[in-house]
Amino acid sequence: AQSVAQPEDQVNVAEGNPLTVKCTYSVSGNPYLFWYVQYPNRGLQFLLKYITGDNLVKGSYGFEAEFNKSQTSFHLKKPSALVSDSALYFCAVRDMKAGTALIFGKGTTLSVSS
Amino acid sequence: SQTIHQWPATLVQPVGSPLSLECTVEGTSNPNLYWYRQAAGRGLQLLFYSVGIGQISSEVPQNLSASRPQDRQFILSSKKLLLSDSGFYLCAWSPRWSGSGDTQYFGPGTRLTVL
Repeated sequence: AQSVAQPEDQVNVAEGNPLTVKCTYSVSGNPYLFWYVQYPNRGLQFLLKYITGDNLVKGSYGFEAEFNKSQTSFHLKKPSALVSDSALYFCAVRDMKAGTALIFGKGTTLSVSS
Repeated sequence: SQTIHQWPATLVQPVGSPLSLECTVEGTSNPNLYWYRQAAGRGLQLLFYSVGIGQISSEVPQNLSASRPQDRQFILSSKKLLLSDSGFYLCAWSPRWSGSGDTQYFGPGTRLTVL
C-alpha cells in the first residue's frame, strides 16, 4: 500500500536558520511527490512537486525539496526561515488507485521564532 | 486563471440535520474534482473524487454522498449528520488526467461543526 510518513509533529527553528521538514514515502513504482502548506483555517497551497528528473526541486516562497530514492525520502528545505513560514506542512504522494487523488501525511507544524 | 470556490465558509448544524456543501471551479474545463476531510487540524482523508459529470468514486464508507451535476460543480451532501462528521472539508481540482504529475489545487474550505 502507498503511504507517506512525516515523523515530526512539530519543528521549531529560529528565524534566519535553515529548516528541514521530513517526509518518507512507500510506493510501488515511481513516486509522484508533493508538498503543500496550510495556514490556519485556510485551504492547502501547493509548494512544489517531484515527478521525474532533477532530484532537487525548487518551489514557491524559497522552498526546495530533495528526492532521495535510496532513502525513500522527500524532505522539504529552506536556507533561511522566516516567521511567516510558520504553518502546517503536508507531504503527499499520488494515489495510483484513486484517479489522481493524493495520500497525505499527517502534517508537520513549523514554528519559526523571531 | 483558475479559481475554486467553496461555500459556506463555516456551518454549524445539529445532529440529524441534512448537509449540502458546494464547490465550483472557474477558468478551466473538464477538471478532476475531489472532496477531502481534515479532522482536528491534521490528516486529510479523501472522501470522493470525480473525473466527469455524474461520475463519482467513493473512497470511504460513510453517511456522506457526492454529486457532480455540472462540469465544474461538486456537491457534498448528507441526509442526516453525525457528530463524527465535524471537520474541515476541502474541495480540490486538477487538470483532466494527462499524467500522474498533475497538481491539485485546493479551495478555501468549509468548517463544519455538528452539535
